[in-house]
Amino acid sequence: RKEVEQDPGPFNVPEGATVAFNCTYSNSASQSFFWYRQDCRKEPKLLMSVYSSGNEDGRFTAQLNRASQYISLLIRDSKLSDSATYLCVVPYSNSGYALNFGKGTSLLVTP
Amino acid sequence: DADVTQTPRNRITKTGKRIMLECSQTKGHDRMYWYRQDPGLGLRLIYYSFDVKDINKGEISDGYSVSRQAQAKFSLSLESAIPNQTALYFCATSDSGLAGVSDTQYFGPGTRLTVL
Repeated sequence: RKEVEQDPGPFNVPEGATVAFNCTYSNSASQSFFWYRQDCRKEPKLLMSVYSSGNEDGRFTAQLNRASQYISLLIRDSKLSDSATYLCVVPYSNSGYALNFGKGTSLLVTP
Repeated sequence: DADVTQTPRNRITKTGKRIMLECSQTKGHDRMYWYRQDPGLGLRLIYYSFDVKDINKGEISDGYSVSRQAQAKFSLSLESAIPNQTALYFCATSDSGLAGVSDTQYFGPGTRLTVL
């Protein structure tokens, strides 16, 4: 399965740093994209939805490049509490509305 | 109370046993999903249902079956469990949003299943 690909990391960054994750996808017909956050052994939770070129929510910015079929997530002023796995999510190309989750990028923010 | 609940939260069973994992939701969503998560493999879709009369196989349905008993309930069964079905299982729900647009999925807390 290579419909959604992410760099697994881990990304180790100091507090206050800016970090960016990239994700590539193969379903060119997708109209909705998501970033989920997953803490260890917990359920994934929605971080951001992306329906157009991008979205910003506080320290988090998601950008979408449809021509190149990639999505990015930028985290500014990293906090210790941002340590988690970040999942890039795109609809399956052959399953209607079902979502295809990337394997995730691990982030560790250190003091 | 949680919007999406899963029972049991943890289960240890033996090879060959039949196991049922249950999922209930109070969000009023039509769409429900079952995923499994394994280290290094991420979340993989097992089955999904867009309404009570609609059941679809996902990426890895072999060895599993499902039942959508009502809008709020979606059960996953392992008819004869095997060790490589040891995993963390998540149920999720989503609303029926705009046509052609996938909506946000909301997850239950997961069931940790170990097959010996």
